[in-house]
Amino acid sequence: DGGITQSPKYLFRKEGQNVTLSCEQNLNHDAMYWYRQDPGQGLRLIYYSQIVNDFQKGDIAEGYSVSREKKESFPLTVTSAQKNPTAFYLCASSGDRGRTSGANVLTFGAGSRLTVL
Amino acid sequence: DQQVKQNSPSLSVQEGRISILNCDYTNSMFDYFLWYKKYPAEGPTFLISISSIKDKNEDGRFTVFLNKSAKHLSLHIVPSQPGDSAVYFCAARIGGSNYKLTFGKGTLLTVNP
Repeated sequence: DGGITQSPKYLFRKEGQNVTLSCEQNLNHDAMYWYRQDPGQGLRLIYYSQIVNDFQKGDIAEGYSVSREKKESFPLTVTSAQKNPTAFYLCASSGDRGRTSGANVLTFGAGSRLTVL
Repeated sequence: DQQVKQNSPSLSVQEGRISILNCDYTNSMFDYFLWYKKYPAEGPTFLISISSIKDKNEDGRFTVFLNKSAKHLSLHIVPSQPGDSAVYFCAARIGGSNYKLTFGKGTLLTVNP
């Protein structure tokens, strides 16, 4: 079945360590996104990519980095510069670069929960 | 500044009754609105959407109403079922080249048997 796969589902990190969250999609979607969810908060956009080899900062990009070398993959690195990295991270994708209205909406992965010890 | 607001963190209703979830927005540039449903430890799933040129969109038990003058939208679920218990996120998008969805903080709906 087509979808988005995020791994790992749970991840523990010591302070000062970088960690990379994987996101792979087989939906042939052009655009991919990373969101962060904290308790009592909505989903906040970290980074997004409209096309391979191109990405833009979202609302809370500080302390994060991404790459988009392949259409199917959009890994997120949480660096030691991120002051409060413990959160639930969601990857998403959309079909035609997210520009049209109508049925074009985000498809989300199951999420990765990162805990900093 | 929160552009999409869901002022009720939680809502509890009886099975079979109507659930009404509300959402307010401040940015008049939003032209498309969506509702997502999320279970714990899972990603959100798309539920229903509405374009700003419409005032109502219906899909089975789910209806979304948009009041542009009040910058308000609501999601009606009728009849409510226990399986509807989840967090519901309202989201909005500016059309054109903007790819971002702006989400509200969510409302936890509990449907009691």
